[in-house]
Amino acid sequence: NAGVTQTPKFQVLKTGQSMTLQCAQDMNHEYMSWYRQDPGMGLRLIHYSVGAGITDQGEVPNGYNVSRSTTEDFPLRLLSAAPSQTSVYFCASRKKIGRLSGAFFGQGTRLTVV
Amino acid sequence: GEDVEQSLFLSVREGDSSVINCTYTDSSSTYLYWYKQEPGAGLQLLTYIFSNMDMKQDQRLTVLLNKKDKHLSLRIADTQTGDSAIYFCAEGAYDGGSYIPTFGRGTSLIVHP
Repeated sequence: NAGVTQTPKFQVLKTGQSMTLQCAQDMNHEYMSWYRQDPGMGLRLIHYSVGAGITDQGEVPNGYNVSRSTTEDFPLRLLSAAPSQTSVYFCASRKKIGRLSGAFFGQGTRLTVV
Repeated sequence: GEDVEQSLFLSVREGDSSVINCTYTDSSSTYLYWYKQEPGAGLQLLTYIFSNMDMKQDQRLTVLLNKKDKHLSLRIADTQTGDSAIYFCAEGAYDGGSYIPTFGRGTSLIVHP
């Protein structure tokens, strides 16, 4: 089925470990973004991309890296995991033109850093 | 910067109407959205409204926009237990380049049988 696919769904890391959260979309969307969701905080933008080869920082970028080598994929890298990065992470994509469709979201990755 | 405010909780009885409220601060907002997040799932777009509209109705959903007060509401008629979820208000403005909406904290809707 078309949509946004995130992997893994769950992950436990030790402090200081690194890992990559994967996000892929098959809708040929130009825009992709990563959010983290914390209780009572809503969704906060980490990084976003407006097209292959172009990325930019969002509201809470520290401790995370992204790259966009293809239109389909937008991985989020945690360089050295910290307990403060325990959260649920959502990847989203949308077309550049046609804001009426809103954004498509993945199912989320629940990350715990111990 | 932009800020979107929502109350955190709302509890209603099945069959009643639910009204979820949202306020935003960016007067240049051109699109306003309501997303629904069911437990353990991602967000799904419920409905949207242009900033030049006052009201939009879509089956059981009615969106009201008061541009003067920067107030947005989502009314769910005949609320069902399946409507229990977190509802996010989001707003955005086109700046000629990227367009990333700003989300509120979400309102948890609890529907009692």
